[in-house]
Amino acid sequence: DAGVIQSPRHEVTEMGQEVTLRCKPISGHNSLFWYRQTMMRGLELLIYFNNNVPIDDSGMPEDRFSAKMPNASFSTLKIQPSEPRDSAVYFCASSNSGRGSGVQYFGPGTRLTVT
Amino acid sequence: GENVEQHPSTLSVQEGDSAVIKCTYSDSASNYFPWYKQELGKGPQLIIDIRSNVGEKKDQRIAVTLNKTAKHFSLHITETQPEDSAVYFCAASIRENDMRFGAGTRLTVKP
Repeated sequence: DAGVIQSPRHEVTEMGQEVTLRCKPISGHNSLFWYRQTMMRGLELLIYFNNNVPIDDSGMPEDRFSAKMPNASFSTLKIQPSEPRDSAVYFCASSNSGRGSGVQYFGPGTRLTVT
Repeated sequence: GENVEQHPSTLSVQEGDSAVIKCTYSDSASNYFPWYKQELGKGPQLIIDIRSNVGEKKDQRIAVTLNKTAKHFSLHITETQPEDSAVYFCAASIRENDMRFGAGTRLTVKP
């Protein structure tokens, strides 16, 4: 299995631009998570999808952030407009869970720098 | 909500020595406790996990212990090797979408 795939691996953009991060979860997994990692705040859950439906988006910091999962094999996280404080590493993770907690497998991350 | 505290923040050991990282959690309903290893430039990778119905789990040089009464769990790495150098994260969760991570421990194994 190829694991969770994220693209791009690095993104540098100017303030005000739109940024789209992409994720392909592990085939057969029914849950998908977007996390943000910074030195100050550590790993934070942004949004959680189950069976392609957003279940919990309480971690999304502002309306500038949006996420979609049009099908079981693809998800996007969009920031529009981007700001320097959005600079972080964004991880996508997926799991295959029924009841209870499932093991989450992380992708390699996208390092976003907003200048 | 759940709060997870992790200690120490940095740990340096000599190759061959043991390393212990400790975490405490606040919500007694938490029932799943994974440990992740994150190497530079990579995503966190699960190395071991334990569920609340088990007190200890071991996988070769890595072991995790759980004390539900005290609400703390620990990662033990024996016979450390330079390739064990990384940042380690503990986590605790009740539900799948409620996993809270510790702040991380940077482990350095000196050859």
